Amino acid sequence: EVQLVESGGGLVQPGRSLKLSCAASGFTFSNYYMAWVRQAPKKGLEWVATISTSGSRTYYPDSVKGRFTISRDNAKSSLYLQMNSLKSEDTATYYCARHVGGTIAAFDYWGQGVMVTVSS
Amino acid sequence: DVQMTQSPSYLAASPGESVSISCKASKSISNYLAWYQQKPGEAYKLLIYSGSTLQSGTPSRFSGSGSGTDFTLTIRSLEPEDFGLYYCQQYYEKPHLTFGSGTKLEIK
Repeated sequence: EVQLVESGGGLVQPGRSLKLSCAASGFTFSNYYMAWVRQAPKKGLEWVATISTSGSRTYYPDSVKGRFTISRDNAKSSLYLQMNSLKSEDTATYYCARHVGGTIAAFDYWGQGVMVTVSS
Repeated sequence: DVQMTQSPSYLAASPGESVSISCKASKSISNYLAWYQQKPGEAYKLLIYSGSTLQSGTPSRFSGSGSGTDFTLTIRSLEPEDFGLYYCQQYYEKPHLTFGSGTKLEIK
């Protein structure tokens, strides 16, 4: 059974940093592109970052580019999101998700999400 | 980025009825469209990809149609467990993936 379990969320002050983790199991992690998607309170979904199977290629929307870094450790079947210079608008539930079919596409499995609150 | 306009934002229907949710893209995305469902306390679930292909495990009462800019998710013979949030997502303009604004489906 595919499982994605996020951790590392919490309350952080504006301008500070936070690192999220996602532990994957039930599939060959290194065969899949992985991503982070977020959902602000009472808002829709926003794609945040994608990483290739080897980790050599990463992709971000303009809203987080230069502040967030996605990475992975295939030996540990783990995905990470380093978030720097956090802003109040980064407050959201962050989901770890698996891209379908080993490329950038839809997401066939999602974690339950972890809450990040940016506030002083 | 491709903008996805989803409607309605709220929908209420009775078990046994059929409902449709619309998703319109700001430019042609061929059939690079997925639909998701989220129920309270559960993870997001992929229902349909490539516009009309049912993901394994998706009940046959769900169907997707459309291509280009206009897409529809139809649920026939609603079951009580179909309540929740529904989102569309385009993956034509990679890697800049975008979602619709969501539809809350309430079962009367």
